[in-house]
Amino acid sequence: DIVMTQTPLSLSVTPGQPASISCKSSQSLLNSDGKTYLYWYLQKPGQPPQLLIYEVSNRFSGVPDRFSGSGSGTDFTLKISRVEAEDVGVYYCMQSVQHPPTFGGGTKVEIK
Amino acid sequence: QVQLVESGGGVVPPGRSLRLSCTASGFNFSTYSIHWVRQAPGKGLEWVAVVSADGSQKYYVDSVEGRFIISRDNSKDTVYLHVNSLRPEDTAVYYCAALVIDFWGQGTLLTVSS
Repeated sequence: DIVMTQTPLSLSVTPGQPASISCKSSQSLLNSDGKTYLYWYLQKPGQPPQLLIYEVSNRFSGVPDRFSGSGSGTDFTLKISRVEAEDVGVYYCMQSVQHPPTFGGGTKVEIK
Repeated sequence: QVQLVESGGGVVPPGRSLRLSCTASGFNFSTYSIHWVRQAPGKGLEWVAVVSADGSQKYYVDSVEGRFIISRDNSKDTVYLHVNSLRPEDTAVYYCAALVIDFWGQGTLLTVSS
């Protein structure tokens, strides 16, 4: 199985400041179809996860443009340009290039 | 209104079986693969199983292979997860989801304990 490793485990951010989360995979997530199957989810307290970014850098419908994703191969990053109070929760990366889909361990973001 | 609603969770002793259900409304359920993802208390997310739109293809994570069975009845807009030979480590909130369109249910809690 592909292992997804996220850093840091937690992040405390002042509102309006940027934040960055790293996700590294044990194998390349580039598929033979040319797409890279790396996703970012946010799980707010008491809720199911919600998709933020698909295929590395595409914002899902309704996701604010302060969220951006980048990376390739095995190294990926989620950036929040200016953190807002509503961004608190646990962020997960996930790969689906190979069965089974696997998630990173999560990064908890809190507001200072 | 788009909804996925899980049901069937509860407290069961180790070794027993249960059937979890996921019923959809408000979207064209029969055209989407449906996944089960679980989350142990205070832990991260773990993908469990998927069934294709027509029910012909099914995949499982190794830890449940041979114990869990996923199926669907498109006439009832429902996906099932039969969980057998339950272990304490299967204790989790079980979410069903149409991942490609990011529809998730609110989850159902399964606790395996004597």
